[in-house]
Amino acid sequence: EVQLVESGGGLVQPGRSLRLSCAASGFTFDDYAMHWVRQAPGKGLEWVSGISWNSGSIGYADSVKGRFTISRDNAKNSLYLQMNSLRAEDTALYYCAKDLVVAAILYAFDIWGQGTMVTVSS
Amino acid sequence: QSALTQPASVSGSPGQSITISCTGTSSDVGSYNLVSWYQQHPGKAPKLMIYEGSKRPSGVSNRFSGSKSGNTASLTISGLQAEDEADYYCCSYAGSSTLGFGGGTKLTVL
Repeated sequence: EVQLVESGGGLVQPGRSLRLSCAASGFTFDDYAMHWVRQAPGKGLEWVSGISWNSGSIGYADSVKGRFTISRDNAKNSLYLQMNSLRAEDTALYYCAKDLVVAAILYAFDIWGQGTMVTVSS
Repeated sequence: QSALTQPASVSGSPGQSITISCTGTSSDVGSYNLVSWYQQHPGKAPKLMIYEGSKRPSGVSNRFSGSKSGNTASLTISGLQAEDEADYYCCSYAGSSTLGFGGGTKLTVL
């Protein structure tokens, strides 16, 4: 079964850091680009960051650029999001999502995890 | 990245067709054929319904179709069914390895 499982969320104070992880299974992880998408409570979807299959292409939303870092470990079938200098507006459910096509970035996400909640509050 | 503009809500009766618009700019929707549409039911993860503007992933009903004209993309759902009631989001590649989502449209099946 193709599956993405996020972890690492929780309650954190403003200005602190958190590292999210996404464990992939059921597909050849290193063939696909991967992304992080977040959704604040009661709000819409927001793309956060994406990384190509070989980490050669990386992009960030303006709202997180310079604070968040995406990475992947293909040997461990895992995707990560290092979040620094967290703000209240980063409070959201963070989804890990798989790109649709092999060895390219189509920005179409066919597999999603169930998300991990990040709450930034003092 | 600028958010794409979608109507906040649309509605239709079972069997009818509805269309949801997604307006961007010449820097995103107008420049790339990389528009996707997602369906999200309450408490669930989003589901890919359309990619590359008009292509359907395997398993998605052919009642769902996508198109684009200029800076505006559209999702049409024909033969509306109760299970189609959900939130729908468009998104488009915006250059420089970035992506923008629309604000979402709540579809109500009357």
